[in-house]
Amino acid sequence: ELKVEQNPLFLSMQEGKNYTIYCNYSTTSDRLYWYRQDPGKSLESLFVLLSNGAVKQEGRLMASLDTKARLSTLHITAAVHDLSATYFCAVDMRYDMRFGAGTRLTVKP
Amino acid sequence: DTGVSQDPRHKITKRGQNVTFRCDPISEHNRLYWYRQTLGQGPEFLTYFQNEAQLEKSRLLSDRFSAERPKGSFSTLEIQRTEQGDSAMYLCASRESDGTPDGYTFGSGTRLTVV
Repeated sequence: ELKVEQNPLFLSMQEGKNYTIYCNYSTTSDRLYWYRQDPGKSLESLFVLLSNGAVKQEGRLMASLDTKARLSTLHITAAVHDLSATYFCAVDMRYDMRFGAGTRLTVKP
Repeated sequence: DTGVSQDPRHKITKRGQNVTFRCDPISEHNRLYWYRQTLGQGPEFLTYFQNEAQLEKSRLLSDRFSAERPKGSFSTLEIQRTEQGDSAMYLCASRESDGTPDGYTFGSGTRLTVV
């Protein structure tokens, strides 16, 4: 059965610092998604990574995909408070997505 | 089209009652998905429709759960004889097709509380 593992599950950062969230998955897939979720809200699409070696950047967030290693990363550069949220990676299966448990990010002043 | 719409946003029900949720996907999207999310967890897949055909169901979808998508447009998710363990956020998502480079678009969800 597919496993999608994110780490860390909880991350407390100082503003201005950099950090990386990791997403490992256990089956072959060449498409991976990153979502953001604010408390009590639905999921907001951040990145769609469609192939091995894909890299996408939006503001202070950059996501990459290594399908051979079955690994995706979400890198945060110079964190700001507004980035505080839960971040999910999700692996595209044939009919649906399977999500990791999420990384709850808190950015402190 | 303003995205995926779900109704109601919140539902409080007594244990043993039946509840029904509705999802209106983006109009040109023929794939529709239901997910369930409990506190502190990632969304869990429940079921998937391609047009009006229900193509896959998770084993999480017990006999008390049923989903329909008549005419391939809106979808309903019904839970019969609700239990406290059914309390969760129920999320609907849609996408245009399996091969589209776009991701899934999620609705705002229906938060169910069973008391």
